[in-house]
Amino acid sequence: NAGVTQTPKFQVLKTGQSMTLQCAQDMNHEYMSWYRQDPGMGLRLIHYSVGAGITDQGEVPNGYNVSRSTTEDFPLRLLSAAPSQTSVYFCASSPDRANEKLFFGSGTQLSVL
Amino acid sequence: GQSLEQPSEVTAVEGAIVQINCTYQTSGFYGLSWYQQHDGGAPTFLSYNALDGLEETGRFSSFLSRSDSYGYLLLQELQMKDSASYFCAVRGGYNFNKFYFGSGTKLNVKP
Repeated sequence: NAGVTQTPKFQVLKTGQSMTLQCAQDMNHEYMSWYRQDPGMGLRLIHYSVGAGITDQGEVPNGYNVSRSTTEDFPLRLLSAAPSQTSVYFCASSPDRANEKLFFGSGTQLSVL
Repeated sequence: GQSLEQPSEVTAVEGAIVQINCTYQTSGFYGLSWYQQHDGGAPTFLSYNALDGLEETGRFSSFLSRSDSYGYLLLQELQMKDSASYFCAVRGGYNFNKFYFGSGTKLNVKP
């Protein structure tokens, strides 16, 4: 059982480049979300989705786009990378919006030079 | 808005008991969750308290007092593998679809 799968594990970008972080889950979860984790700041919500076709902004959405065309996939797009987006990114899912338990992917370490 | 406060670091010896506190301020409240994260790893769910009182899961227990906006995670019989960061979290936002995390408590277990 794969759970939540994130790719890539590591990525280095130059300022201004764009890229997509992939997230897929095979548990038929309705709720999916993206977080960034910076030293000493815990996890901050970027965007979330409560089902296919439905997305909304979290605490720190600027510079990021998401879409949810299927239940399984929830990609995160960086439109024009900036050094301030250097962080570790985690995707997480939950069976539905009322469930408190989040299942996390293994993370993507992103550096923007 | 939402805010959660935790101590940044706690140190304890193997075999001891340690308590990690979390105080929260939220505009609405369902319950308090706890996650564990080892260095370089992903957060993993530990426990959830919706009602006041103590929930026990093996060596780990979690407590909630809704009237005090306070909770804690209690780790007993500490082992070296318990060295990790621990985060408290609440669900909030105008439709309660957003999860908010504390900044985390790094637990160092020494022999």
